[in-house]
Amino acid sequence: DTAVSQTPKYLVTQMGNDKSIKCEQNLGHDTMYWYKQDSKKFLKIMFSYNNKELIINETVPNRFSPKSPDKAHLNLHINSLELGDSAVYFCASSQVFTANTGELFFGEGSRLTVL
Amino acid sequence: KNQVEQSPQSLIILEGKNCTLQCNYTVSPFSNLRWYKQDTGRGPVSLTIMTFSENTKSNGRYTATLDADTKQSSLHITASQLSDSASYICVVSAQNTDKLIFGTGTRLQVFP
Repeated sequence: DTAVSQTPKYLVTQMGNDKSIKCEQNLGHDTMYWYKQDSKKFLKIMFSYNNKELIINETVPNRFSPKSPDKAHLNLHINSLELGDSAVYFCASSQVFTANTGELFFGEGSRLTVL
Repeated sequence: KNQVEQSPQSLIILEGKNCTLQCNYTVSPFSNLRWYKQDTGRGPVSLTIMTFSENTKSNGRYTATLDADTKQSSLHITASQLSDSASYICVVSAQNTDKLIFGTGTRLQVFP
């Protein structure tokens, strides 16, 4: 069974559209994250949730809205997609906050291409 | 400014050879340092996590070292295999924060 699963794996869409990426973890973890990996392979935190509560909200355009219906799910909705949103988005989870050496488990990534 | 720099950017070695990847950081106050392996098209997978008091940590053929005084870490891969071809990412965490600072990675290619 996949520990952290995200769908879809690939997403190609036009500028201006709205799209969502879903993430689920079956590890029983309390904390979930969304990371963005750009073309230079640099991973950057976008959001983190602990028990459905927003903990980290980096300087991300408000077109990006995370939703956590329960602690096992953290979805990412993106409005009015722009070319610069093209990237690979990774969902991750950890039992404790990463600052406390909580091991981070990543999903396989969702490659978003905006045309 | 908290930064993590890795070298080399890319590395090509022959199967069976050893190699060492470097990571220098300016993160302060230091909490822990991690090495991740990211296969092409996959998510990063944790190799090691080291805290301030740990100098060396091994995971199979992977051995990570940490010098908290010089703020340097290395990842040594012994007897490389084709499956070691991947990006290796150094990640550092500062105390009193939930954020991880990622390096840009070293792209390793192992050829037969």
